[in-house]
Amino acid sequence: DTGVSQDPRHKITKRGQNVTFRCDPISEHNRLYWYRQTLGQGPEFLTYFQNEAQLEKSRLLSDRFSAERPKGSFSTLEIQRTEQGDSAMYLCASRYNHPEQFFGPGTRLTVL
Amino acid sequence: GENVEQHPSTLSVQEGDSAVIKCTYSDSASNYFPWYKQELGKRPQLIIDIRSNVGEKKDQRIAVTLNKTAKHFSLHITETQPEDSAVYFCAASPSGKGNQFYFGTGTSLTVIP
Repeated sequence: DTGVSQDPRHKITKRGQNVTFRCDPISEHNRLYWYRQTLGQGPEFLTYFQNEAQLEKSRLLSDRFSAERPKGSFSTLEIQRTEQGDSAMYLCASRYNHPEQFFGPGTRLTVL
Repeated sequence: GENVEQHPSTLSVQEGDSAVIKCTYSDSASNYFPWYKQELGKRPQLIIDIRSNVGEKKDQRIAVTLNKTAKHFSLHITETQPEDSAVYFCAASPSGKGNQFYFGTGTSLTVIP
C-alpha cells in the first residue's frame, strides 16, 4: 500500500497521560498536514509542514500539542496531559504540487 | 479565517434521483474547492475538485459548480446509486498559506434502493 499510513489506528488512554501518533506520507510528498475530526464534524486543520519546516499552526493547537517532521518524511503528533476533550480522530494528509491532499486512515483517540 | 458552511446536513434520495449539496465560503482568497467522500470508518477520499478560474466541472455522474461572486459552490450527483451513500464534505483552500483545507460540517447522504 503506497498511500498515507498512520499508527496506531486506535489509542485509548487515561486523562493526564501523554500520547504520540505517527504519520507516514506518500514518499514523494513534501507537504504534510494534521487535522482533527470529531463526530459529526468536518476535519479541522491543526498544523502544516513543508519538508521539515512547520509553517502553519492553528489556534486549535494548544501548548499541550506538538508536532515534528524531523527529516521531512514521517511526522509525529504528541499530546501531553491528555484531556477528555482531546478525544477525536486525528487525520494526516500529504501532497506534492497539486493541491489535492491524500488522507491517511486516521488515529482514533479515546481519553477516559 | 475561512468559514465554510454546508447544507443540508442530511439528505435522503431514491435510487436514480439526483442529489445536490451546497456550500458557501467567506474568504475571497480561497481558490481551490475539493469535495471528499467519507464512508463510515474510512479515510476521506477526493471525488471531484474545482479551481477558482473554472465555473463548472463534470466527471461522469458527478459535477461541481462554483459562483465566485456569491462565494458558493455545489455538488451535483445524478442517477444516484446505493453505493453513493456516505458523508460528503466540501472544503475551501485559501492561497498564500499552506493551502490547508477548511471543511464544511458534512452531509450524510442516504440513497434508498
